[in-house]
Amino acid sequence: GQQLNQSPQSMFIQEGEDVSMNCTSSSIFNTWLWYKQDPGEGPVLLIALYKAGELTSNGRLTAQFGITRKDSFLNISASIPSDVGIYFCAGPYSGAGSYQLTFGKGTKLSVIP
Amino acid sequence: DADVTQTPRNRITKTGKRIMLECSQTKGHDRMYWYRQDPGLGLRLIYYSFDVKDINKGEISDGYSVSRQAQAKFSLSLESAIPNQTALYFCATGSQGIGETQYFGPGTRLLVL
Repeated sequence: GQQLNQSPQSMFIQEGEDVSMNCTSSSIFNTWLWYKQDPGEGPVLLIALYKAGELTSNGRLTAQFGITRKDSFLNISASIPSDVGIYFCAGPYSGAGSYQLTFGKGTKLSVIP
Repeated sequence: DADVTQTPRNRITKTGKRIMLECSQTKGHDRMYWYRQDPGLGLRLIYYSFDVKDINKGEISDGYSVSRQAQAKFSLSLESAIPNQTALYFCATGSQGIGETQYFGPGTRLLVL
């Protein structure tokens, strides 16, 4: 199956710093989804991207659909303690319309106050 | 009220026991999914259903079974639990109208002794 590679696996940052993480695939994706999982909770959808080159923001979060359709980036500006959690990228498992998702292994974010 | 609920939230069982995890949703979505999460491995799809009585195997279906008797309910069973089924289990829902986006429940933490 298709695999998504997320980097970095984990990161420690100071409160107020900006954060950048990415997700790459060997296959083309038609949709990129970014989720956040708080400790002890289920993943929550942050941003959905549907078009190559698309740049979408949700508050302090900005995500981009890579122009090659094989990567996506998530940026968090001015981090705060509640940004702590695991961030997952996801995309359709085997092409558009399959309605199955494959997930990256996540980027664990820790914010130092 | 949560749109996707899971019961129980935590469960401890013994090897060889049969257990059932329940998922209910009030979102009116036709698609439902069961995932397993292990540390460092991200989310892996166990089974999914696109409608009542429709059942499809995911990436790691061995040792599990599911039932979709109503649109709002999707249950996951472990016929004979084994220790390596210790994990976090998540239910998710989706709908044709929202593309590949999925919404997750809060999870069930299962420990098999």
